[in-house]
Amino acid sequence: DAKTTQPPSMDCAEGRAANLPCNHSTISGNEYVYWYRQIHSQGPQYIIHGLKNNETNEMASLIITEDRKSSTLILPHATLRDTAVYYCIVTGTASKLTFGTGTRLQVTL
Amino acid sequence: DTGVSQNPRHKITKRGQNVTFRCDPISEHNRLYWYRQTLGQGPEFLTYFQNEAQLEKSRLLSDRFSAERPKGSFSTLEIQRTEQGDSAMYLCASSFGQGFSSNYGYTFGSGTRLTVV
Repeated sequence: DAKTTQPPSMDCAEGRAANLPCNHSTISGNEYVYWYRQIHSQGPQYIIHGLKNNETNEMASLIITEDRKSSTLILPHATLRDTAVYYCIVTGTASKLTFGTGTRLQVTL
Repeated sequence: DTGVSQNPRHKITKRGQNVTFRCDPISEHNRLYWYRQTLGQGPEFLTYFQNEAQLEKSRLLSDRFSAERPKGSFSTLEIQRTEQGDSAMYLCASSFGQGFSSNYGYTFGSGTRLTVV
């Protein structure tokens, strides 16, 4: 699985868009980009995933650059409940997800 | 369906004792995963089942660890002769997938927090 690089922490004001970057310069053609988040004391929660096209669901949007070497998770209107650790994962297999240390997003009033 | 269920939520045990955790996945999910998470770190993969077959095990899964999924439904993770280093959150996840890739996100349970004293 490709290695990912994320900033360790970010802040966002409530109601504003949170843009969380992820670098995955060694991604292979068959590898997907997944985003999960983990709120304190809970298991990780699936947010969204994509291969090469931008994706949107009820939780977030995923923007993947044309060369697929980086991506951005967008939470359009962050709330206090979005405070969590966000993990960007790249994988081409069903067998496992390799988590890094993620980005700790703090949403503030 | 209430999602992935893990029991117990918390377990405190003395060093050297055996412990067993249970995971009940989402019923239509054919894949089941165990992860371990220590404080400040992301979850680490332990093992993976497709139906009842255990298809992959991490090197983290020492001989003291064993996992089963006897009928392709629930799974158990047993740790024998526990050590203080086994203290962690043990997470179970399930997903539905076919072939070599899974196009569906994993659903995680809330985990079992193990403390070895």
